[in-house]
Amino acid sequence: EAQVTQNPRYLITVTGKKLTVTCSQNMNHEYMSWYRQDPGLGLRQIYYSMNVEVTDKGDVPEGYKVSRKEKRNFPLILESPSPNQTSLYFCASSLLAPDRPLYYGYTFGSGTRLTVV
Amino acid sequence: AQKVTQAQTEISVVEKEDVTLDCVYETRDTTYYLFWYKQPPSGELVFLIRRNSFDEQNEISGRYSWNFQKSTSSFNFTITASQVVDSAVYFCALSGFTGTASKLTFGTGTRLQVTL
Repeated sequence: EAQVTQNPRYLITVTGKKLTVTCSQNMNHEYMSWYRQDPGLGLRQIYYSMNVEVTDKGDVPEGYKVSRKEKRNFPLILESPSPNQTSLYFCASSLLAPDRPLYYGYTFGSGTRLTVV
Repeated sequence: AQKVTQAQTEISVVEKEDVTLDCVYETRDTTYYLFWYKQPPSGELVFLIRRNSFDEQNEISGRYSWNFQKSTSSFNFTITASQVVDSAVYFCALSGFTGTASKLTFGTGTRLQVTL
């Protein structure tokens, strides 16, 4: 089954304790991205990657890191989480169409609900 | 810069009523795509529809219909004869180029509550 797999689904952690949220897709998509969803703010892009070893900042990158060493994996790293990073996180992937915006839209993972206390 | 506005934060209707969710967008791109996603209480994001900027035909899929009007930069979503299972948050999104990269820009969502 074609899918984006995020782990964990739920995570409660303490301020300052490094954590990684994993994301893997089995569709050979070039494009992967992380979003966070907060009430009243919708979904905001954190980081994206157009291909292996190519990553760039989205709209709200502060406090996050990513890497793209393999095409299928795109982990989100919080080196020193803070309470304002409590949120619902989504990983997304997409095929890239030449010279066109994201025609196919996103396939989303199931989400990770992170609480930082 | 791209922007998507969903002015309706929350809508409540009684089952079988028709309801329209509004979406207004801003972009300087000539080629772009518009999407609607549904987020049911379980939390996942489900793709509903994609529309490209060159196709202004309205689309109907069962009880769902979409009205794309380029002149008013709107892409509204209507549910006919709403059902309790339609209760969800609905997001409108715009795909375009920002610099050399592409992204989906989402609105803030409209929460639809359908009651018996």
